[in-house]
Amino acid sequence: RKEVEQDPGPFNVPEGATVAFNCTYSNSASQSFFWYRQDCRKEPKLLMSVYSSGNEDGRFTAQLNRASQYISLLIRDSKLSDSATYLCVVLVGGGADGLTFGKGTHLIIQP
Amino acid sequence: NAGVTQTPKFQVLKTGQSMTLQCAQDMNHEYMSWYRQDPGMGLRLIHYSVGAGITDQGEVPNGYNVSRSTTEDFPLRLLSAAPSQTSVYFCASRPPGQGLYGYTFGSGTRLTVV
Repeated sequence: RKEVEQDPGPFNVPEGATVAFNCTYSNSASQSFFWYRQDCRKEPKLLMSVYSSGNEDGRFTAQLNRASQYISLLIRDSKLSDSATYLCVVLVGGGADGLTFGKGTHLIIQP
Repeated sequence: NAGVTQTPKFQVLKTGQSMTLQCAQDMNHEYMSWYRQDPGMGLRLIHYSVGAGITDQGEVPNGYNVSRSTTEDFPLRLLSAAPSQTSVYFCASRPPGQGLYGYTFGSGTRLTVV
């Protein structure tokens, strides 16, 4: 079983629409959760951390469900510039470090 | 601040050659790590360090060595390059404070082993 699983897409979404991605993780000891964005041939960039109570940053909302071990990302009023690959990322912690990445969900915003 | 700087950006090696990928950060981050990204595989952890003098293996450490003599630098050494090590390599760093801070990534080194 893969540690972090995401639907690879691509998700083709019209500009202005709302889109949601989910991600599941297998290690119940996971302590920290993030969404990263990666543009083609670029490095991953932190989009937002994900907190247990859920959190929002502008048009982006992240949710964490520890009981079901899934994380979600909602993008409202999508922009052409939101086209990218979105990576679900988990940190187990507990003395170890290093991130476990999902393979990413490819999002294409269409004009 | 330059952030996380990786050199070189591109490299072609012959099978059996050795080389060092350089990574430096100027943010005084204690935690640093190396990842490789292959098509269809996502990013995978090679080695990580939680401070100067402390390193540990990640998911795919074979064929790679690391050391951490200073807080700023975390070089990755390929001992004897193999075609299977053709990949994009990312170095990343973060401050302590688990759960609060994600990693900041360098711009990557694209390595081809022929």
